[in-house]
Amino acid sequence: ETGVTQTPRHLVMGMTNKKSLKCEQHLGHNAMYWYKQSAKKPLELMFVYSLEERVENNSVPSRFSPECPNSSHLFLHLHTLQPEDSALYLCASSQDWVTYNEQFFGPGTRLTVL
Amino acid sequence: AQKVTQAQTEISVVEKEDVTLDCVYETRDTTYYLFWYKQPPSGELVFLIRRNSFDEQNEISGRYSWNFQKSTSSFNFTITASQVVDSAVYFCALSEDGKTSGSRLTFGEGTQLTVNP
Repeated sequence: ETGVTQTPRHLVMGMTNKKSLKCEQHLGHNAMYWYKQSAKKPLELMFVYSLEERVENNSVPSRFSPECPNSSHLFLHLHTLQPEDSALYLCASSQDWVTYNEQFFGPGTRLTVL
Repeated sequence: AQKVTQAQTEISVVEKEDVTLDCVYETRDTTYYLFWYKQPPSGELVFLIRRNSFDEQNEISGRYSWNFQKSTSSFNFTITASQVVDSAVYFCALSEDGKTSGSRLTFGEGTQLTVNP
């Protein structure tokens, strides 16, 4: 596997379900990101982890809970979501957080909340 | 606050036509970086180019070229002799000074480019 991978690619869940999105980067990067991409809206940065420490939380509702167990893996735990949370969730990584490195993106998880 | 505007929501061209995607940005920083990404139907954003605020030299890479003009706060992207495979959503993004706030990208809303055969 190369680059940034995300699983699952598609997820349908009810509002009472608990699910998790997984992201893995094979680039040796130190920073990882979660973005939300909704239709007709710019990408929204949700969370940033640098060296496994959360350094950014962009006013994201608590029903989204990130976890970064090591520098290669990033999870987004989902609980009691709303239909408006349906979107494409993109994971990205970069060499580190404090320079201008480009970010490398995974293919995303298409989430549908019923 | 920084902002990126891509006024063209959708563009449709016929193969082999040249097409320019516009990007206008706002920032108070004197040091910043501009990016272009391509998002094909598969979903992942593909990095195309990075340009820092001190380098206004235009860049050409194959059929792609970029025009950076600080005087108009624009960073436009031109595809020459477009091909069907160029069909995608293209995002312009701005990164502010990473020394204090990290590599945070602000994205424009994207331009959907459709190249018809």
